[in-house]
Amino acid sequence: GAGVSQSPSNKVTEKGKDVELRCDPISGHTALYWYRQSLGQGLEFLIYFQGNSAPDKSGLPSDRFSAERTGGSVSTLTIQRTQQEDSAVYLCASSLTWAPRTNYGYTFGSGTRLTVV
Amino acid sequence: GNSVTQMEGPVTLSEEAFLTINCTYTATGYPSLFWYVQYPGEGLQLLLKATKADDKGSNKGFEATYRKETTSFHLEKGSVQVSDSAVYFCALSETASKLTFGTGTRLQVTL
Repeated sequence: GAGVSQSPSNKVTEKGKDVELRCDPISGHTALYWYRQSLGQGLEFLIYFQGNSAPDKSGLPSDRFSAERTGGSVSTLTIQRTQQEDSAVYLCASSLTWAPRTNYGYTFGSGTRLTVV
Repeated sequence: GNSVTQMEGPVTLSEEAFLTINCTYTATGYPSLFWYVQYPGEGLQLLLKATKADDKGSNKGFEATYRKETTSFHLEKGSVQVSDSAVYFCALSETASKLTFGTGTRLQVTL
Protein backbone atom coordinates (compact mmCIF):
# COMPACT_ATOMS: atom_id res chain seq x y z
CA GLY A 1 0.00 0.00 0.00
CA ALA A 2 0.89 3.67 -0.11
CA GLY A 3 1.64 3.89 3.59
CA VAL A 4 1.85 1.88 6.78
CA SER A 5 -1.64 0.91 7.82
CA GLN A 6 -2.58 0.07 11.40
CA SER A 7 -5.83 -1.28 12.74
CA PRO A 8 -7.84 -0.65 14.72
CA SER A 9 -7.15 3.06 15.11
CA ASN A 10 -8.73 3.00 18.55
CA LYS A 11 -9.34 0.11 20.93
CA VAL A 12 -10.96 0.17 24.34
CA THR A 13 -10.72 -3.06 26.28
CA GLU A 14 -11.42 -4.30 29.75
CA LYS A 15 -8.58 -5.14 32.07
CA GLY A 16 -7.64 -8.79 31.75
CA LYS A 17 -8.77 -9.21 28.15
CA ASP A 18 -6.43 -10.03 25.26
CA VAL A 19 -6.00 -7.63 22.33
CA GLU A 20 -4.48 -7.92 18.88
CA LEU A 21 -3.09 -4.95 17.01
CA ARG A 22 -2.39 -5.19 13.31
CA CYS A 23 0.22 -3.53 11.12
CA ASP A 24 0.31 -3.66 7.34
CA PRO A 25 3.67 -2.26 6.17
CA ILE A 26 4.53 -0.67 2.88
CA SER A 27 4.78 -3.32 0.19
CA GLY A 28 8.37 -4.47 -0.24
CA HIS A 29 9.60 -3.13 3.10
CA THR A 30 11.55 -5.93 4.72
CA ALA A 31 12.02 -4.34 8.13
CA LEU A 32 9.15 -3.73 10.54
CA TYR A 33 9.22 -2.13 13.97
CA TRP A 34 6.78 -1.74 16.84
CA TYR A 35 7.00 1.17 19.27
CA ARG A 36 4.84 2.31 22.16
CA GLN A 37 4.10 5.96 22.84
CA SER A 38 2.97 6.62 26.38
CA LEU A 39 1.88 10.01 27.64
CA GLY A 40 4.94 12.06 28.58
CA GLN A 41 7.35 9.20 27.93
CA GLY A 42 8.27 9.49 24.29
CA LEU A 43 8.56 6.44 22.09
CA GLU A 44 9.63 3.12 23.51
CA PHE A 45 11.05 0.42 21.22
CA LEU A 46 9.27 -2.93 21.49
CA ILE A 47 10.39 -5.30 18.72
CA TYR A 48 12.03 -5.37 15.30
CA PHE A 49 11.39 -7.80 12.45
CA GLN A 50 13.63 -8.50 9.50
CA GLY A 51 11.44 -10.55 7.20
CA ASN A 52 9.53 -12.96 9.42
CA SER A 53 12.15 -13.26 12.13
CA ALA A 54 12.62 -10.97 15.12
CA PRO A 55 16.33 -10.43 15.77
CA ASP A 56 15.58 -7.90 18.49
CA LYS A 57 12.64 -8.26 20.85
CA SER A 58 14.42 -6.68 23.77
CA GLY A 59 11.83 -3.97 24.23
CA LEU A 60 8.84 -6.20 24.95
CA PRO A 61 7.95 -5.19 28.51
CA SER A 62 6.71 -8.57 29.75
CA ASP A 63 5.79 -12.06 28.58
CA ARG A 64 2.22 -10.84 28.13
CA PHE A 65 3.46 -9.14 24.96
CA SER A 66 4.19 -11.08 21.78
CA ALA A 67 4.39 -10.32 18.08
CA GLU A 68 4.58 -12.23 14.88
CA ARG A 69 4.98 -11.46 11.23
CA THR A 70 3.88 -13.70 8.41
CA GLY A 71 4.76 -13.71 4.74
CA GLY A 72 7.24 -10.93 5.32
CA SER A 73 4.30 -8.56 5.43
CA VAL A 74 1.55 -8.14 8.02
CA SER A 75 2.49 -8.13 11.68
CA THR A 76 0.31 -8.66 14.74
CA LEU A 77 1.15 -7.45 18.23
CA THR A 78 -0.72 -9.37 20.91
CA ILE A 79 -1.13 -8.26 24.49
CA GLN A 80 -2.53 -10.88 26.84
CA ARG A 81 -4.34 -10.14 30.09
CA THR A 82 -4.18 -6.40 29.50
CA GLN A 83 -3.39 -4.07 32.38
CA GLN A 84 -4.13 -0.37 32.75
CA GLU A 85 -0.46 0.46 32.34
CA ASP A 86 -0.65 -1.00 28.82
CA SER A 87 -2.74 2.00 27.75
CA ALA A 88 -0.73 3.85 25.11
CA VAL A 89 -0.48 4.50 21.39
CA TYR A 90 1.16 1.57 19.64
CA LEU A 91 3.07 2.62 16.54
CA CYS A 92 4.29 0.46 13.72
CA ALA A 93 6.98 1.49 11.24
CA SER A 94 8.57 -0.14 8.23
CA SER A 95 11.68 0.51 6.18
CA LEU A 96 13.02 -0.65 2.88
CA THR A 97 16.17 -2.10 4.38
CA TRP A 98 17.22 -3.08 7.86
CA ALA A 99 19.44 -0.07 8.37
CA PRO A 100 17.99 3.28 9.43
CA ARG A 101 21.23 4.90 8.26
CA THR A 102 19.96 4.67 4.70
CA ASN A 103 18.21 7.50 2.95
CA TYR A 104 14.88 5.80 3.40
CA GLY A 105 14.43 6.06 7.12
CA TYR A 106 11.33 4.69 8.73
CA THR A 107 7.73 5.23 7.63
CA PHE A 108 5.37 5.23 10.58
CA GLY A 109 1.71 4.35 10.70
CA SER A 110 -0.82 6.53 12.52
CA GLY A 111 -0.94 4.14 15.44
CA THR A 112 -3.49 2.27 17.50
CA ARG A 113 -4.66 4.05 20.64
CA LEU A 114 -5.24 1.37 23.27
CA THR A 115 -7.22 2.20 26.39
CA VAL A 116 -7.53 -0.42 29.11
CA VAL A 117 -10.38 0.27 31.52
CA GLY B 1 22.96 2.73 27.15
CA ASN B 2 21.88 5.23 24.53
CA SER B 3 19.63 8.11 25.43
CA VAL B 4 18.26 11.32 23.97
CA THR B 5 17.34 14.40 25.95
CA GLN B 6 15.34 17.21 24.43
CA MET B 7 13.94 20.39 25.84
CA GLU B 8 10.59 20.23 27.55
CA GLY B 9 7.67 21.86 25.90
CA PRO B 10 5.40 23.28 25.03
CA VAL B 11 7.23 25.93 23.06
CA THR B 12 4.95 28.77 22.03
CA LEU B 13 6.12 31.20 19.36
CA SER B 14 4.62 33.88 17.21
CA GLU B 15 4.64 33.36 13.46
CA GLU B 16 7.97 34.34 11.85
CA ALA B 17 9.88 33.89 15.11
CA PHE B 18 13.16 31.97 15.26
CA LEU B 19 12.94 28.42 16.57
CA THR B 20 15.49 26.35 18.45
CA ILE B 21 14.67 23.00 20.01
CA ASN B 22 17.61 21.60 21.92
CA CYS B 23 18.61 17.95 21.70
CA THR B 24 21.57 16.21 23.30
CA TYR B 25 22.42 12.56 23.21
CA THR B 26 24.44 9.86 24.91
CA ALA B 27 25.81 7.02 22.84
CA THR B 28 28.69 4.60 23.06
CA GLY B 29 29.66 4.82 19.40
CA TYR B 30 28.88 7.00 16.41
CA PRO B 31 25.15 7.14 15.93
CA SER B 32 23.04 8.56 13.17
CA LEU B 33 20.79 11.39 14.36
CA PHE B 34 17.26 12.23 13.31
CA TRP B 35 14.43 14.67 13.81
CA TYR B 36 10.91 13.34 13.38
CA VAL B 37 7.74 15.43 13.36
CA GLN B 38 4.20 14.43 14.33
CA TYR B 39 1.49 16.76 13.06
CA PRO B 40 -1.89 16.64 14.82
CA GLY B 41 -3.74 13.44 13.97
CA GLU B 42 -0.93 12.10 11.79
CA GLY B 43 1.88 9.58 12.10
CA LEU B 44 5.52 10.35 12.69
CA GLN B 45 7.39 11.64 9.68
CA LEU B 46 11.12 11.89 9.14
CA LEU B 47 12.03 15.57 9.02
CA LEU B 48 15.80 15.41 8.61
CA LYS B 49 18.83 13.30 9.43
CA ALA B 50 22.61 13.40 9.75
CA THR B 51 24.82 10.35 9.73
CA LYS B 52 28.22 11.67 10.81
CA ALA B 53 29.85 14.47 12.72
CA ASP B 54 29.54 17.97 11.22
CA ASP B 55 26.83 16.86 8.79
CA LYS B 56 23.92 19.25 8.49
CA GLY B 57 20.47 17.87 7.84
CA SER B 58 17.88 20.19 6.34
CA ASN B 59 14.30 20.05 5.13
CA LYS B 60 11.34 22.45 4.86
CA GLY B 61 13.46 25.32 6.23
CA PHE B 62 14.51 23.32 9.30
CA GLU B 63 18.18 22.57 9.96
CA ALA B 64 20.20 20.60 12.47
CA THR B 65 23.96 20.07 12.68
CA TYR B 66 25.55 16.93 14.15
CA ARG B 67 27.96 18.25 16.82
CA LYS B 68 30.07 15.41 18.18
CA GLU B 69 32.04 17.65 20.54
CA THR B 70 28.88 18.76 22.34
CA THR B 71 26.86 15.59 21.58
CA SER B 72 24.07 17.78 20.29
CA PHE B 73 21.69 17.97 17.34
CA HIS B 74 19.65 21.13 17.91
CA LEU B 75 16.76 21.83 15.54
CA GLU B 76 16.47 25.36 14.14
CA LYS B 77 14.23 27.30 11.80
CA GLY B 78 14.61 30.94 10.94
CA SER B 79 10.93 31.81 10.58
CA VAL B 80 8.21 29.49 11.84
CA GLN B 81 4.71 29.28 10.44
CA VAL B 82 1.43 28.25 12.03
CA SER B 83 1.61 25.07 9.93
CA ASP B 84 4.79 24.06 11.80
CA SER B 85 2.75 23.46 14.95
CA ALA B 86 3.47 19.83 15.83
CA VAL B 87 5.42 17.60 18.18
CA TYR B 88 9.10 17.22 17.31
CA PHE B 89 11.13 14.17 18.31
CA CYS B 90 14.90 13.88 18.33
CA ALA B 91 16.23 10.35 17.85
CA LEU B 92 19.43 8.40 17.40
CA SER B 93 20.35 5.05 15.97
CA GLU B 94 23.47 3.00 16.48
CA THR B 95 22.16 -0.37 15.41
CA ALA B 96 20.04 -1.73 12.65
CA SER B 97 17.19 -2.60 14.89
CA LYS B 98 15.97 0.51 16.60
CA LEU B 99 15.76 4.21 17.08
CA THR B 100 16.05 5.74 20.54
CA PHE B 101 13.72 8.71 20.86
CA GLY B 102 13.53 11.73 23.09
CA THR B 103 10.27 12.53 24.84
CA GLY B 104 9.18 15.04 22.21
CA THR B 105 8.72 18.81 22.24
CA ARG B 106 5.37 20.34 21.36
CA LEU B 107 5.60 23.51 19.25
CA GLN B 108 2.65 25.87 19.08
CA VAL B 109 2.88 28.75 16.61
CA THR B 110 0.36 31.57 16.85
CA LEU B 111 -0.55 34.40 14.51
